[in-house]
Amino acid sequence: QQPVQSPQAVILREGEDAVINCSSSKALYSVHWYRQKHGEAPVFLMILLKGGEQKGHEKISASFNEKKQQSSLYLTASQLSYSGTYFCGTVTMTGTASKLTFGTGTRLQVTL
Amino acid sequence: DAGVIQSPRHEVTEMGQEVTLRCKPISGHDYLFWYRQTMMRGLELLIYFNNNVPIDDSGMPEDRFSAKMPNASFSTLKIQPSEPRDSAVYFCASSLTGGNSPLHFGNGTRLTVT
Repeated sequence: QQPVQSPQAVILREGEDAVINCSSSKALYSVHWYRQKHGEAPVFLMILLKGGEQKGHEKISASFNEKKQQSSLYLTASQLSYSGTYFCGTVTMTGTASKLTFGTGTRLQVTL
Repeated sequence: DAGVIQSPRHEVTEMGQEVTLRCKPISGHDYLFWYRQTMMRGLELLIYFNNNVPIDDSGMPEDRFSAKMPNASFSTLKIQPSEPRDSAVYFCASSLTGGNSPLHFGNGTRLTVT
């Protein structure tokens, strides 16, 4: 099954913060986050591995709670360039093979 | 590195025709993925390969779809015969080691079947 993201869409003013959540019904090996701008391919932001680690990328950070099978993406002091659709990608293992399934997506619009 | 290269960028075809999409992954990447993106279904994994071997094709919609990876630098996704509901953007992506490494996406092929 596809991981579920919330909210589906959010509108921010420049400088505001946002949180995007990703929830899976399966045990996760790792979680990826990507951003896709209109008409372009998804672009990698970060990977979180098991262990509840938190990672950061400029003013964008994320956490991964493997017990709850959830991850959250935090956008701080948003900029116009943050606009786009954000996807989580959950990685599950079948034997030695890993499979990445993308979430439903969250559309983020940052305005002046 | 040039990144993942897909061709063609756009394809318009009539229902019933054969369509072949092509992908060249980043050199040295062991995993190759084919995804399809539509407004209704989002980004769906169709099939992925590890070291040229198909690992999971459970996402391939039906027998009209087939994918091959004859060598480490080339993969094809074929639809025969094509139908209007196949219209979508098809992305190819590659990664170094699968789940623990980033996916690098090609620019995609926008397929329109009339």
